[in-house]
Amino acid sequence: AQSVTQPDIHITVSEGASLELRCNYSYGATPYLFWYVQSPGQGLQLLLKYFSGDTLVQGIKGFEAEFKRSQSSFNLRKPSVHWSDAAEYFCAVGFTGGGNKLTFGTGTQLKVEL
Amino acid sequence: DAGVTQSPTHLIKTRGQQVTLRCSPISGHKSVSWYQQVLGQGPQFIFQYYEKEERGRGNFPDRFSARQFPNYSSELNVNALLLGDSALYLCASSPGPQGNYGYTFGSGTRLTVV
Repeated sequence: AQSVTQPDIHITVSEGASLELRCNYSYGATPYLFWYVQSPGQGLQLLLKYFSGDTLVQGIKGFEAEFKRSQSSFNLRKPSVHWSDAAEYFCAVGFTGGGNKLTFGTGTQLKVEL
Repeated sequence: DAGVTQSPTHLIKTRGQQVTLRCSPISGHKSVSWYQQVLGQGPQFIFQYYEKEERGRGNFPDRFSARQFPNYSSELNVNALLLGDSALYLCASSPGPQGNYGYTFGSGTRLTVV
């Protein structure tokens, strides 16, 4: 069965520092990958997505992610974190032929210290 | 353009009762998926509907059912509510049946079962 692992439950960074959130997946087919952000009590906002092509994808709010097939990873990065980035971040994976089913990781809670 | 609209935003039900949640997709989107997000967890796939047909079902009991109407809006029904059904229920809208069309999530319905 497909699975998504976000190994870091909580991460704390200082404002202005760089950020990397990890995501690993277990899938047999060609995946498509997403990062979503969720503020407390809110729905999910799409940060970026990878379907095919260039493995380095740019998203909103200065985020980027790199798909590494050999490592089954899709890590999210940001060079300089802002206090407003504090939220929960979810990695999600689907695959061709899987319909619209997404499998989500358990999330990484980001705290930003001023 | 309106995004994905879910109603109600919050509701409280008693164990054993039934509940109906509603979702209106983005105009032109024909696929609706439902997810359950328990506090502290990532969303879990419940159902997908495309063109009024069920296209996928997650690992949820038969107490959960859904349907899609000719205008592509959707309802999620949960019967015989349990305390464990307390969660944020998210609806995701997509133009087509496969995930590589992309997904937009609504803000969710927060269900509390007491």
